[in-house]
Amino acid sequence: DTGVSQDPRHKITKRGQNVTFRCDPISEHNRLYWYRQTLGQGPEFLTYFQNEAQLEKSRLLSDRFSAERPKGSFSTLEIQRTEQGDSAMYLCASSPPDPKEGNTIYFGEGSWLTVV
Amino acid sequence: KQEVTQIPAALSVPEGENLVLNCSFTDSAIYNLQWFRQDPGKGLTSLLLIQSSQREQTSGRLNASLDKSSGRSTLYIAASQPGDSATYLCAVSRGTSYGKLTFGQGTILTVHP
Repeated sequence: DTGVSQDPRHKITKRGQNVTFRCDPISEHNRLYWYRQTLGQGPEFLTYFQNEAQLEKSRLLSDRFSAERPKGSFSTLEIQRTEQGDSAMYLCASSPPDPKEGNTIYFGEGSWLTVV
Repeated sequence: KQEVTQIPAALSVPEGENLVLNCSFTDSAIYNLQWFRQDPGKGLTSLLLIQSSQREQTSGRLNASLDKSSGRSTLYIAASQPGDSATYLCAVSRGTSYGKLTFGQGTILTVHP
């Protein structure tokens, strides 16, 4: 079990470019979540998947954002026409189908996005 | 809309002190509450999970309590160590999806030798 893996860890892009982040959850976890975190704030929920189905999207997720989880394994988060306000850390997390007491959700190390 | 507030925003203590971090939430209809630790530039690690029917949970030097009716939780850290320095985040879950969380802004803890 290698934990939740995110790639790339850091991305600097020019305003207006598209960026894509990838998340590989823990293998037996069927639920996958994306969060956004800006400096000095707690993470904010963006969206989540159960298997390949995207079950909920936050109002924070404008139509420039799209997330997919083909085949219910890895997930991608794409941001089109990036804006400076998109600069943040994008966190992915996963949880098992039958959470037990204690750890129910596992976060990756995050992908830092800087839009210049 | 659920709002989660953490006090204090930052705390600096000498090694060995016992300390309390506070978390409050506006909607008491929660499914569970979790405390997380975040090291600078890193992801989050779950420390303690309290189900809505529980009053407290303990792990080592950490003890978290939950008073759902008043919308409050505390994280007690005993005999603090420099390695405890990190940001501590409180989060509540609204439904049975354990990972759909509303976070506070965190308390930055510094324990100096």
